[in-house]
Amino acid sequence: KQEVTQIPAALSVPEGENLVLNCSFTDSAIYNLQWFRQDPGKGLTSLLLIQSSQREQTSGRLNASLDKSSGRSTLYIAASQPGDSATYLCAVNKGTYKYIFGTGTRLKVLA
Amino acid sequence: NAGVTQTPKFRVLKTGQSMTLLCAQDMNHEYMYWYRQDPGMGLRLIHYSVGEGTTAKGEVPDGYNVSRLKKQNFLLGLESAAPSQTSVYFCASSSGANTGELFFGEGSRLTVL
Repeated sequence: KQEVTQIPAALSVPEGENLVLNCSFTDSAIYNLQWFRQDPGKGLTSLLLIQSSQREQTSGRLNASLDKSSGRSTLYIAASQPGDSATYLCAVNKGTYKYIFGTGTRLKVLA
Repeated sequence: NAGVTQTPKFRVLKTGQSMTLLCAQDMNHEYMYWYRQDPGMGLRLIHYSVGEGTTAKGEVPDGYNVSRLKKQNFLLGLESAAPSQTSVYFCASSSGANTGELFFGEGSRLTVL
């Protein structure tokens, strides 16, 4: 059974710091992996989608990598800002309807 | 660019009452999903649809029904609400089963007293 783990559950960093969020999954047979951001009381906003054949994707200050063989993905946030404070979730796509979500990392960037 | 829109955003029900949550997407996506999000449980799939006129059960379908009469709309119904159905409900859609990006609505917060 596919499990998706995000460690740490919560993270607090000073503004300007570069940081890495981790996502681990137990079954490497995935089609893609997606990173989301969720603000309190809001929906999930898609940040980056990495297909299984890709190693990384970049959008602005965000860079996500995927290593299927080791069952890991990382989301790198450069020069963090208070506006980056949110919960970050990863989800692996097993095909058809099967998305498995992690429980998220709650990030707080201190001004 | 609306994307995925859910109505209503908030609702309070009494035990035994019924209601319908509406999800509409304007991206011409084939696949649509209903999830519930509960503290410590993450996102769990209730029902999904792979196209107009089709629906299928997800991980936690009991107590819910769905319909997809039009491609752009996916309705989630509670026939007899129970306190255990207090949750935040999210609708999502994607263009493809295996490679498509998943897009979410803003959520509907339901409280059952």
